[in-house]
Amino acid sequence: AQSVTQLGSHVSVSEGALVLLRCNYSSSVPPYLFWYVQYPNQGLQLLLKYTSAATLVKGINGFEAEFKKSETSFHLTKPSAHMSDAAEYFCAVAGSTSGTYKYIFGTGTRLKVLA
Amino acid sequence: DAGITQSPRHKVTETGTPVTLRCHQTENHRYMYWYRQDPGHGLRLIHYSYGVKDTDKGEVSDGYSVSRSKTEDFLLTLESATSSQTSVYFCATHSQGIYSPLHFGNGTRLTVT
Repeated sequence: AQSVTQLGSHVSVSEGALVLLRCNYSSSVPPYLFWYVQYPNQGLQLLLKYTSAATLVKGINGFEAEFKKSETSFHLTKPSAHMSDAAEYFCAVAGSTSGTYKYIFGTGTRLKVLA
Repeated sequence: DAGITQSPRHKVTETGTPVTLRCHQTENHRYMYWYRQDPGHGLRLIHYSYGVKDTDKGEVSDGYSVSRSKTEDFLLTLESATSSQTSVYFCATHSQGIYSPLHFGNGTRLTVT
């Protein structure tokens, strides 16, 4: 079975500081991994996705994530936090069974950006 | 985003009453999903559909049923609402193609009193 674990349900950073949100996955097959962002009272929006083409994936709003197979990790980073980055972030892994697809989500990390 | 509309956006209902939530999409996506979001649990899959009249259970399907009579609509029914079903419900879709990302609606906030 596939799963993802997000370390830290709440992360606070100062504006302009590095953002690092952690995600570890478990998968018996090469995984397809995603990061989503959720702003208040909205649905989730795709930030970026890993589909084995490149280990470093660049997404929207200056975010990027690096796939590390040896560490089973897919951490999300941004060099310089902006106030508008305050949101909840979800890591997800996709799997396929008999032609149907399932997306398993982590429990989320709420990012707070301090002025 | 991907033309996904959820209705209603907010609902308050009493324990024991049936409730139906609707998801409508305009993208002709084959795959549709219902998730619930609760603090500390992230998103958990309730049911999903891989085509008209083709549905299957997710990890938290007890007390819920679904129907998909046409491509664009996916209905989630709480047969007899309980307080434990107070949650925010999200519909999501994705297009044909392996591991294409999910597109989400804006959610329905359901309160069961």
